[in-house]
Amino acid sequence: QVQLVQSGAEVKKTGASVKVSCKASGYTFTNYPGISWVRQAPGQGLEWMGWIRVENGNTNYAQNLQGRVTMTTDTSTSTVYMELRNLRSDDTAVYYCARVGGSYYPLNLDYWGQGTLVTVSS
Amino acid sequence: DIHLTQSPSFLSASVGDRVTITCRASQGIRSYLAWYQQKPGGAPKLLIYAASTLQSGVPSRFSGSESGTEFTLTISSLQPEDFATYYCQQLNSYPWTFGQGTKVE
Repeated sequence: QVQLVQSGAEVKKTGASVKVSCKASGYTFTNYPGISWVRQAPGQGLEWMGWIRVENGNTNYAQNLQGRVTMTTDTSTSTVYMELRNLRSDDTAVYYCARVGGSYYPLNLDYWGQGTLVTVSS
Repeated sequence: DIHLTQSPSFLSASVGDRVTITCRASQGIRSYLAWYQQKPGGAPKLLIYAASTLQSGVPSRFSGSESGTEFTLTISSLQPEDFATYYCQQLNSYPWTFGQGTKVE
């Protein structure tokens, strides 16, 4: 069965960086367009952060995170990483990875990881 | 950016009710719209994609439709496990924005 398993909760200081991993299993990693990241601040809605196309590593990031976020992929281990730098208190959120479904053009986020809580405090 | 406006934001309903949630896009998104269900403490779950295609394993009481830039999620007969928050998302153009959510309570 398809599974996306994320790394554990993190507590970081303002200005630090965090790197969250997302390991995929149960399917052929490169047969799907890629992995997307979505975050959810406490009590708030879903915010799309960006995605990485796993076949070539191409990325597309949300404008408000440009310059602070980097998504990378290791196809040998079917793992995607999301690094967020220069953390602020409003980056406190649950971070989800999700498989991008579709043959080539993205159609949906069909399987989701369990979420990783990142807490940023001064 | 394409803005998605869901209505209503909150919906009070009872088991057996027919429930309709609307998602309006600020511009054309063709049919690149998906619906998700999220329960407290859990990850979102894909229900519908391409505006009206039911994801495998999702009960047939869920359906989606579109008319221009207006998209609708319908639950034909609300079940106890359907009390949750529902989000629409467009994947037509970057950024892949979400609606603000509709809580069914």
